[in-house]
Amino acid sequence: ETGVTQTPRHLVMGMTNKKSLKCEQHLGHNAMYWYKQSAKKPLELMFVYSLEERVENNSVPSRFSPECPNSSHLFLHLHTLQPEDSALYLCASSQEYGADTQYFGPGTRLTVL
Amino acid sequence: GQNIDQPTEMTATEGAIVQINCTYQTSGFNGLFWYQQHAGEAPTFLSYNVLDGLEEKGRFSSFLSRSKGYSYLLLKELQMKDSASYLCAVDNYGQNFVFGPGTRLSVLP
Repeated sequence: ETGVTQTPRHLVMGMTNKKSLKCEQHLGHNAMYWYKQSAKKPLELMFVYSLEERVENNSVPSRFSPECPNSSHLFLHLHTLQPEDSALYLCASSQEYGADTQYFGPGTRLTVL
Repeated sequence: GQNIDQPTEMTATEGAIVQINCTYQTSGFNGLFWYQQHAGEAPTFLSYNVLDGLEEKGRFSSFLSRSKGYSYLLLKELQMKDSASYLCAVDNYGQNFVFGPGTRLSVLP
């Protein structure tokens, strides 16, 4: 139990679908992150929220839309994805944004058909 | 630019010692993390180095040389459960975290 949960664990969607990934942290942390992990590629930081405000958006296509309604919840809304977006999407949280240990959720394995 | 290099794969024998290297070139540097990730699972924190030198934590130790842009993770008394990917990540002055490609370690009996 890492204190960070993600749902769903697996998702298969078509290119025209709209779906959302959910992350919840039970650690009282102030920063939350979305990462993409593709096969044979490094973890890629997508978005960072600190105290519910987005602080980073690393050139992520607009078909990925994050939402942070409060410091415990983070969503990633998906719309008209491409097959190359198939990957493991990991959520993480840390006490503060910056040089702080990040605790990862189990990830959502996304397959885009 | 940001560049972090790690060997792609390593193999070692149960009970042995293995050293996993990480070299980095980043626009800023605040510290370096090591994470362990078992197949199909989330990465878990192993160590964080800010200052030069060796940090020991049980069977695992991590070393950092800021002047050389170099770190290594040392695993002693290898166990089968140590088979996993090991990721180094640079904290780029809190601007972002840059992860290396990971090293897949296989521990053989």
